[in-house]
Amino acid sequence: SAVISQKPSRDICQRGTSLTIQCQVDSQVTMMFWYRQQPGQSLTLIATANQGSEATYESGFVIDKFPISRPNLTFSTLTVSNMSPEDSSIYLCSVAWGSTGELFFGEGSRLTVL
Amino acid sequence: AQKITQTQPGMFVQEKEAVTLDCTYDTSDPSYGLFWYKQPSSGEMIFLIYQGSYDQQNATEGRYSLNFQKARKSANLVISASQLGDSAMYFCAMTDNAGNMLTFGGGTRLMVKP
Repeated sequence: SAVISQKPSRDICQRGTSLTIQCQVDSQVTMMFWYRQQPGQSLTLIATANQGSEATYESGFVIDKFPISRPNLTFSTLTVSNMSPEDSSIYLCSVAWGSTGELFFGEGSRLTVL
Repeated sequence: AQKITQTQPGMFVQEKEAVTLDCTYDTSDPSYGLFWYKQPSSGEMIFLIYQGSYDQQNATEGRYSLNFQKARKSANLVISASQLGDSAMYFCAMTDNAGNMLTFGGGTRLMVKP
């Protein structure tokens, strides 16, 4: 299995600021995924991050709002830019692992925007 | 497009009894994977069980089993001998033909009564 570390685990942010979430994996993986979980909701895929190429964003998510870096095969960052209270969510990074493609998740980063 | 439906927003079960959490899906892909995840109040996502679309037998993992009925497009999770620690949100999810985890159901909140 893959071990994924995310930080910060939680933060309280002011409107209009930006926050970068880091995701570290203990093994090399090709694809990393970033999800958002708004309060009381299910998980929604934000983007898929491949090392060495631009992230692929899902409908409703844009690079200017959620820039992603993927400098190597074990690390990625997601920035939530110009935050508003609507961005208050849990943000989770994940990687697919094994023959079944089982997704392993980081602990999640719980953001509250005031 | 894929779609996952969990029709039970919440479920109660008595401790030590079995409970079934419903999941139906819709996809045009001939090959796909079905997953169940548990999310405790801490926010982490915990993998429970996997079923491949071509698997002949229902998957089992300890107290968890997946009742896979392909013709009905259902993949219900059965938890036997419920424990208080089973109280959590449960998400059904599926991969597409490429093995990318793209779609989560809305989740079911399970509450185990002592």
